[in-house]
Amino acid sequence: NAGVTQTPKFRVLKTGQSMTLLCAQDMNHEYMYWYRQDPGMGLRLIHYSVGEGTTAKGEVPDGYNVSRLKKQNFLLGLESAAPSQTSVYFCASSPRLAGGPREQFFGPGTRLTVL
Amino acid sequence: SQQGEEDPQALSIQEGENATMNCSYKTSINNLQWYRQNSGRGLVHLILIRSNEREKHSGRLRVTLDTSKKSSSLLITASRAADTASYFCATSHYNQGGKLIFGQGTELSVKP
Repeated sequence: NAGVTQTPKFRVLKTGQSMTLLCAQDMNHEYMYWYRQDPGMGLRLIHYSVGEGTTAKGEVPDGYNVSRLKKQNFLLGLESAAPSQTSVYFCASSPRLAGGPREQFFGPGTRLTVL
Repeated sequence: SQQGEEDPQALSIQEGENATMNCSYKTSINNLQWYRQNSGRGLVHLILIRSNEREKHSGRLRVTLDTSKKSSSLLITASRAADTASYFCATSHYNQGGKLIFGQGTELSVKP
């Protein structure tokens, strides 16, 4: 099992460019999440999905869009990148189990720089 | 808004010493989790404690939860240089679609 994988690992964009970050998981998890991590800020939830075809906004959704067309994939899009979106982006997944939320499994991250 | 607040922000100890990190939160939780992040890597789950539990152990890790004070602590006993990492608490709340709210983390440095 590869777990949670993210592509690309690194990317440099110019202001105004667009890009899509891909997250894939092979654990058949229902829930998937996109976070950004900035120095001193911990992880902040951008968008999440509780199942194929459904998405919802997290804490910091502005400037991002997501899609979950297949259960195993969760895409994060930046339509017009801004320097404020320079960050490390993490994808995570978790199973839906009785008794409430369980552990999340994280990908290795994508380091994005917007110039 | 973020709920988890951790202290200290940074902790430096010698190998063999114990490390204690604290986490406070604001509203009722379903469970509280601790994660570890090595530099440049993704987060790895360490331990989960439910709201009706007060203490949990896993190897050299001991987690306590005090729901009346809305706080938790993570104790790492007999620390090793390999324990050097950032540690995050994360809280989950009822009817929140599995979302976790992460604290800002404690950066632990264990010197050999």
